Amino acid sequence: SQKIEQNSEALNIQEGKTATLTCNYTNYSPAYLQWYRQDPGRGPVFLLLIRENEKEKRKERLKVTFDTTLKQSLFHITASQPADSATYLCAPTLQGGANNLFFGTGTRLTVIP
Amino acid sequence: NAGVMQNPRHLVRRRGQEARLRCSPVKGHSHVYWYRQLPEEGLKFMVYLQKENIIDESGMPKERFSAEFPKEGPSILRIQQVVRGDSAAYFCASSPRRDGNQPQHFGDGTRLSIL
Repeated sequence: SQKIEQNSEALNIQEGKTATLTCNYTNYSPAYLQWYRQDPGRGPVFLLLIRENEKEKRKERLKVTFDTTLKQSLFHITASQPADSATYLCAPTLQGGANNLFFGTGTRLTVIP
Repeated sequence: NAGVMQNPRHLVRRRGQEARLRCSPVKGHSHVYWYRQLPEEGLKFMVYLQKENIIDESGMPKERFSAEFPKEGPSILRIQQVVRGDSAAYFCASSPRRDGNQPQHFGDGTRLSIL
């Protein structure tokens, strides 16, 4: 069955540093990979989507990579700020016929001032 | 533009009662998804509906749970004879199309507590 693993449940970094979050998947071949942010008491908010034929995608201070050989995506936040503190979820998705999202358990990021 | 609206935000029920959770998708979205998040656990898919049809209910418990998305009005997730284990946050999401490259838009959830 599909399995999605995100690195360590919690990640603490100093403000201004780059946070790197990892998403590994097994037993399927997604055509896309989505990243979401979830704040306590709120629903997930979409951040970025990367396609299997894209190596890298950027949006402001965010960068996502997608390595289909390693079956891994890396999510980077550069110049991190305390406001970036949240739980980040990855969701590798299939092309077409995608009925739902399978989420990793998430990584809780805390940026320390 | 209004996002996904869920109500109530908090719902308290006693064991054995019924819980009805409502979800109004983004205007123009005809695909609705329900997810459940247990304390300290990840989001788990429950059911996917398109107007008036259940497309995939593979994640929904076989008993006591049902969902609908009528032609008019919000999608409803209904839990009959609730038990303590049903306590969780229930999230609804919507998308304009059924495709892996479509982000889903989530509501802020209904937190269900069973006494």
